[in-house]
Amino acid sequence: AQKVTQAQTEISVVEKEDVTLDCVYETRDTTYYLFWYKQPPSGELVFLIRRNSFDEQNEISGRYSWNFQKSTSSFNFTITASQVVDSAVYFCALIQNTGNQFYFGTGTSLTVIP
Amino acid sequence: EAGVAQSPRYKIIEKRQSVAFWCNPISGHATLYWYQQILGQGPKLLIQFQNNGVVDDSQLPKDRFSAERLKGVDSTLKIQPAKLEDSAVYLCASSSTGGSYNEQFFGPGTRLTVL
Repeated sequence: AQKVTQAQTEISVVEKEDVTLDCVYETRDTTYYLFWYKQPPSGELVFLIRRNSFDEQNEISGRYSWNFQKSTSSFNFTITASQVVDSAVYFCALIQNTGNQFYFGTGTSLTVIP
Repeated sequence: EAGVAQSPRYKIIEKRQSVAFWCNPISGHATLYWYQQILGQGPKLLIQFQNNGVVDDSQLPKDRFSAERLKGVDSTLKIQPAKLEDSAVYLCASSSTGGSYNEQFFGPGTRLTVL
């Protein structure tokens, strides 16, 4: 069975602090894809990153970075020097290579205080 | 490029009433998805269309929910009759193909409140 766990329900940080959002997943498949989406108050889900199970390289995109570790089944997301515009709910999700269904975590609500 | 469009954005109905949501995917996207997002949870797939055919509707409560995608473009999702537990945001998404490696683009959602 597939499962994604985001243990942090809510996080508050002061602007310019760094923050890490945790994501732990379960799957029996050897090939799968992991995603992070951002859901601002407006409601739409905004794609941030996709990572396949064979690519464990960490990735950095501006202030965002992702740490994928298969050994611990984790795909953590770090925002450096957070900004108020980063306030949103962030979802981690998994999809099997042979499937079409996203398994979303319950989301982490991030509030960046000015 | 225009994004995924959904309407209405908000809907309030009483239980046992009917409601319909509309989705227009990104032009050229063959695959369309409907998700249900209950407050405090991640989205859950209800149904996936590839062009105008259903690929997966295993989690669609077919006794009250129905969806169609005529002509392989726009789609409507209907609930009849609605229950209190149907209160949620209904998200539509589209992708260029149905492969799991493809990014799904989401619309703004329709927030349904059932009283």
